[in-house]
Amino acid sequence: EAGVVQSPRYKIIEKKQPVAFWCNPISGHNTLYWYRQNLGQGPELLIRYENEEAVDDSQLPKDRFSAERLKGVDSTLKIQPAELGDSAVYLCASSLEARDNEQFFGPGTRLTVL
Amino acid sequence: AQTVTQSQPEMSVQEAETVTLSCTYDTSESDYYLFWYKQPPSRQMILVIRQEAYKQQNATENRFSVNFQKAAKSFSLKISDSQLGDAAMYFCAYRSDSSGTYKYIFGTGTRLKVLA
Repeated sequence: EAGVVQSPRYKIIEKKQPVAFWCNPISGHNTLYWYRQNLGQGPELLIRYENEEAVDDSQLPKDRFSAERLKGVDSTLKIQPAELGDSAVYLCASSLEARDNEQFFGPGTRLTVL
Repeated sequence: AQTVTQSQPEMSVQEAETVTLSCTYDTSESDYYLFWYKQPPSRQMILVIRQEAYKQQNATENRFSVNFQKAAKSFSLKISDSQLGDAAMYFCAYRSDSSGTYKYIFGTGTRLKVLA
């Protein structure tokens, strides 16, 4: 069974440019998470989806970040415009249900903003 | 607000020896889970072990076990018979199950080095 797939694995952009990350969760997983992991830190939740619905986006900087999960399967996280402080690894994870006791993580996308 | 603290930025252990990684947390909730995740250099995080707060018995998974002290809000990970493949970042995580939030909070991690 395929795990959580993320693309691209690496992205380098100039500040003020837009960027998008894509995630395909494990088949059948209803819950999808986007995390940001700064260097030397643990992951911080940006947004959690239950199917198509964003049920927790309290940590998402809505002035520049947006996310969508059309059809309740794969998801896209966008930053527009990117700032220097957005340099981080963006992790996607999925689980069968939110109360399920295991999240499965993707390999992440390392974003560098110059 | 809940917090998770890992006070050891880095630990080293000799191959085949035992090491304990520390984690403390702060919460006023009664319904929660605790987890240890491993993140090897390739970055893909995997679950090592989990503990339900209402269970007094410490969780065990092969060479990995936890010491869960609920009153002290402590959740340490013990790795026995350490192997070179255990070298990674280890993150302690708390998940609130109150009111259906299911929000994960991660600590800052401990880098474990295994010496041959």
